[in-house]
Formats: sequence, C-alpha cells, structure tokens
Amino acid sequence: QVQLVESGGGVVQPGRSLRLSCAASGFTFSSYAFHWVRQAPGKGLEWVAVISYDGKIQYYADSVKGRFTISRDSSTNTLNLQMNSLRVEDTAIYYCARDGKPGYGDWFDHWGQGTLVTVSS
Amino acid sequence: DIVMTQSPDSLAVSLGERATINCKSSQSLLYSSNNKNSLAWYQQKPGQPPKLLIYWASTRESGIPDRFSGSGSGTDFTLTISSLQAEDVAIYYCQQYYSFPLTFGGGTKVEIK
Repeated sequence: QVQLVESGGGVVQPGRSLRLSCAASGFTFSSYAFHWVRQAPGKGLEWVAVISYDGKIQYYADSVKGRFTISRDSSTNTLNLQMNSLRVEDTAIYYCARDGKPGYGDWFDHWGQGTLVTVSS
Repeated sequence: DIVMTQSPDSLAVSLGERATINCKSSQSLLYSSNNKNSLAWYQQKPGQPPKLLIYWASTRESGIPDRFSGSGSGTDFTLTISSLQAEDVAIYYCQQYYSFPLTFGGGTKVEIK
C-alpha cells in the first residue's frame, strides 16, 4: 500500500536551516509528482511546493520562494525540502503529498502523517 | 492567486441529516481542454492528515462512501453529506488545482447537533 513517512522536523531558531525528508513506498516513485503542504497550529492548509515526476520542474508558494528548495532522489525514493532562513511564521506541520495523476498540479491523493517544525528563539 | 472561500465556517447537523458545504473560487475553475472543474475536497479529522474525498468537483475517490457527493461548476461548488454519520465529524477543505499557487479554502467544521 502507498506509504509516505516524513522526518526531520524539530525546534529551530529563526534564521537557521532544517531539511525535511519523506520516504515513499508501495508504488513507483518515479512516476509521480510530489508536494509539500503545511498547516500552522490550529490553522488551515497551505500549499508550499511541488516537484515533477522527473525533478525538472518545481513551483513554490511566494511565502517560501528563495528560501525553500524541493528535491527528490529516485535512488532512495525520497522527497526532500531544504528550508533556509526560517521564520517564526514557518512553524507548522509539514505534510508530503502525492500528486493525484500524471502531471504536477493536481489534487493530492495520498498524504503522510506530517512532521512538526517549530521556529522559535 | 485564486482565492477559495468556504461557507459556513462551521455547522452542526443531526445524525442522519444532510450537511451542505459551499466553496466559491475567485475565478472559474473550468478547464477548457477537458470541460472539467479543477476542484477537490478533503476531510481532516483531529490529529490526522487530510484525506481525499472528491476530485474534478464530482468524482469520488476510491473507497469513499457514496453519501459524499460533490457538485457545481465554474466558481461555485458544493460538498454534500447526504446522511451524516458520527465518523463524519471533521473539518472539510476545498482546493483548486486550476493554476499555481494551488490554494485551499479556509475549512468548514462539521459537528453533530
């Protein structure tokens, strides 16, 4: 069955960096695009970034553009999110999510359980 | 950016009764190439990630009970739970995938009356 397992969250000071990972299994990783979606405590959902099935195309939300980088490693079936220059407002649960069909800008058909990132001094 | 507005923010419905959630987009989500609306619905229970219910505005995801249905076109969409069950207590979100950035509605909390 499809499994997405995030890791790498934690407490970090403003201005510092953190790298999140998402291990995928149960399907052909290289056939799908992936997204990161975040949810601040008690708030709604915010799309963060997408990477195409082949890694050649990435899009970002304006709120993270220039600070976050999404990448993927098909040799390990892993999705990554490098987060630099972190801000207090980046505090959230970060979910990785699989794109629902071939392409990279669609619905999210499978989600991980999420990893909590807390940015605080 | 396409703004997604959900209403109401919350609603309380008796068990077995109908629940209706509305979602309005700031521009049409009708994709001319396939005549489908780029709109999805998700259910999120406390402490869990969101779960896909519906995509293309009205296509039910595999395994989703048929009491959940989606309708609408253009800029106005509706998620209907035909007969509310206790396990349907959750927050429901709509999401547009017509263009980047992908955006969500603010959510509607459904409770039992």
